[in-house]
Amino acid sequence: EPEVTQTPSHQVTQMGQEVILRCVPISNHLYFYWYRQILGQKVEFLVSFYNNEISEKSEIFDDQFSVERPDGSNFTLKIRSTKLEDSAMYFCASRKPGLAGDEQFFGPGTRLTVL
Amino acid sequence: GQQLNQSPQSMFIQEGEDVSMNCTSSSIFNTWLWYKQEPGEGPVLLIALYKAGELTSNGRLTAQFGITRKDSFLNISASIPSDVGIYFCAGHSNSGYALNFGKGTSLLVTP
Repeated sequence: EPEVTQTPSHQVTQMGQEVILRCVPISNHLYFYWYRQILGQKVEFLVSFYNNEISEKSEIFDDQFSVERPDGSNFTLKIRSTKLEDSAMYFCASRKPGLAGDEQFFGPGTRLTVL
Repeated sequence: GQQLNQSPQSMFIQEGEDVSMNCTSSSIFNTWLWYKQEPGEGPVLLIALYKAGELTSNGRLTAQFGITRKDSFLNISASIPSDVGIYFCAGHSNSGYALNFGKGTSLLVTP
């Protein structure tokens, strides 16, 4: 069964450094998402992406964040200058098009630790 | 964003027992989704609900979308140890499909 994959599984970085989190969505899906989950808290929406542009973003997704689909398979989240409070699990999700396509499938996540 | 309230916050049950958890919102949702998350993993979709009043089953799991579109419940029958995890409800009410998640119900099952 096809699934969303994410790399790396764990990223440790120094405050102020740039990080890029990578995702490979399910191949026939056209809508892509990033969510984050701070330890012990609920999953929070960051951004959605369709047709090579951002379709929606939350207040969390400020100018330090950017997303890109550099080729036909990868979907990346970049944090330009990481802060301590960016430490969290980051989940990529994808959704196929269609009227019943509300089902978002999540990857296993990247644990980001900012020191 | 809209707040989703899940209850109970946690449950500690014995294997074989039935489980019921619910999720409520102050505003209407177009879609309700139930996910399960195990430690260190991403949320795994269990059931998706699209129509008010809809009752859907997936094996031992049954979920219903409330008539008012402001609530949903998830039932697990004859629980087993591998049901352990955190169960999240999630929904969206806008065209962007950004999901709002509840805070989760943590389920522990003892053999």
